[in-house]
Amino acid sequence: NAGVTQTPKFQVLKTGQSMTLQCAQDMNHEYMSWYRQDPGMGLRLIHYSVGAGITDQGEVPNGYNVSRSTTEDFPLRLLSAAPSQTSVYFCASRRGGSPLLLFGPGTRLTVL
Amino acid sequence: AQSVTQLGSHVSVSEGALVLLRCNYSSSVPPYLFWYVQYPNQGLQLLLKYTSAATLVKGINGFEAEFKKSETSFHLTKPSAHMSDAAEYFCAVSRISNFGNEKLTFGTGTRLTIIP
Repeated sequence: NAGVTQTPKFQVLKTGQSMTLQCAQDMNHEYMSWYRQDPGMGLRLIHYSVGAGITDQGEVPNGYNVSRSTTEDFPLRLLSAAPSQTSVYFCASRRGGSPLLLFGPGTRLTVL
Repeated sequence: AQSVTQLGSHVSVSEGALVLLRCNYSSSVPPYLFWYVQYPNQGLQLLLKYTSAATLVKGINGFEAEFKKSETSFHLTKPSAHMSDAAEYFCAVSRISNFGNEKLTFGTGTRLTIIP
């Protein structure tokens, strides 16, 4: 298994641009989620999904959209990037009913 | 609601000395508790987890943690620090639930520095 994969690893955007961070897992995990990591703030949950077609907001959802059309993929969309969205983004997944969350390698995003 | 407090954003210990990273949690229901480690420019890796079985949990790389309900703590320890232990450590809490939507809440992290 490849586990949880994320692309790209690095990205630089200008304010107002849009982009999609990709996340995929090949473990047939029902639950997928996106976190952002900022210095001194730990990881904060942006959005999560408990299965295909089901998504919900986390702690810091503003400025981000998600969709879950397949079990494998959970993309995160920034519609109009802002400097406050400069961060490291982690995707994570787990089996339904299991507490063990597995993380991808992260995407470092800079918004100028 | 659930939360995690990690005492000390930076901890320095000498190589060979005891490592103690502190974590206190708040949860209205029985929790799952985790320690994750993040090496520079990498993702998060699970060190160990408490899921309501034994209160003393052993993890990878010689780390262990003890769940103390009376103190609402889950401190991480290692008897003898190694240079390779230098990293950032995150404590996290989740609820025990059958609904599948349990959220993992992280502490703010503790950066561990090992002094040669």
